[in-house]
Amino acid sequence: AQKITQTQPGMFVQEKEAVTLDCTYDTSDQSYGLFWYKQPSSGEMIFLIYQGSYDEQNATEGRYSLNFQKARKSANLVISASQLGDSAMYFCAMRETGLRGGSQGNLIFGKGTKLSVKP
Amino acid sequence: DSGVTQTPKHLITATGQRVTLRCSPRSGDLSVYWYQQSLDQGLQFLIQYYNGEERAKGNILERFSAQQFPDLHSELNLSSLELGDSALYFCASSVDPGGTYGYTFGSGTRLTVV
Repeated sequence: AQKITQTQPGMFVQEKEAVTLDCTYDTSDQSYGLFWYKQPSSGEMIFLIYQGSYDEQNATEGRYSLNFQKARKSANLVISASQLGDSAMYFCAMRETGLRGGSQGNLIFGKGTKLSVKP
Repeated sequence: DSGVTQTPKHLITATGQRVTLRCSPRSGDLSVYWYQQSLDQGLQFLIQYYNGEERAKGNILERFSAQQFPDLHSELNLSSLELGDSALYFCASSVDPGGTYGYTFGSGTRLTVV
């Protein structure tokens, strides 16, 4: 069965420093997609970045980058130059595979990492 | 505004009651997904609809049901509510049933059962 593991329940980072949030995944599929979402205290889910399994380059979106190591099945999120507004829960997710293969459509989420940015 | 509208934003109800949560997907999206986020279970997929038809089921209790209407909005019905049903319920939408082009989440409905 597919699984997403986020081993860091909480992390602290100093403002303006970079931070890496860990995510490992388990799947037997060759084709899959990995997502990172941010959930601030207000509750909404904000899409940050996406990495496809066949993408040769690591995904980047502004201050967010994804350190994709396929052989190790890891997809760590790197936030550069942390800001106070980055304090939030961060979730790693992947599309669930259907019984006949291919994307079932829904996402499977990890337990999340709570990031706190210190001034 | 993400484009996915969920109502109500907050709901407080008593045990044993029934509630209906509503979701309007982003314009052009045909697929709707419902998720439950609770402190002990994390984010769990409940059910998916695509163009009016149920497409996939996750950890949805028998007391819960959903449907997608011809105008593509979806409703999640929760009945015989228990304290443990207190959670944040998210709706997300996507253009296609496989989520190939990503997902848009609503801001959620926070349900409190007292």
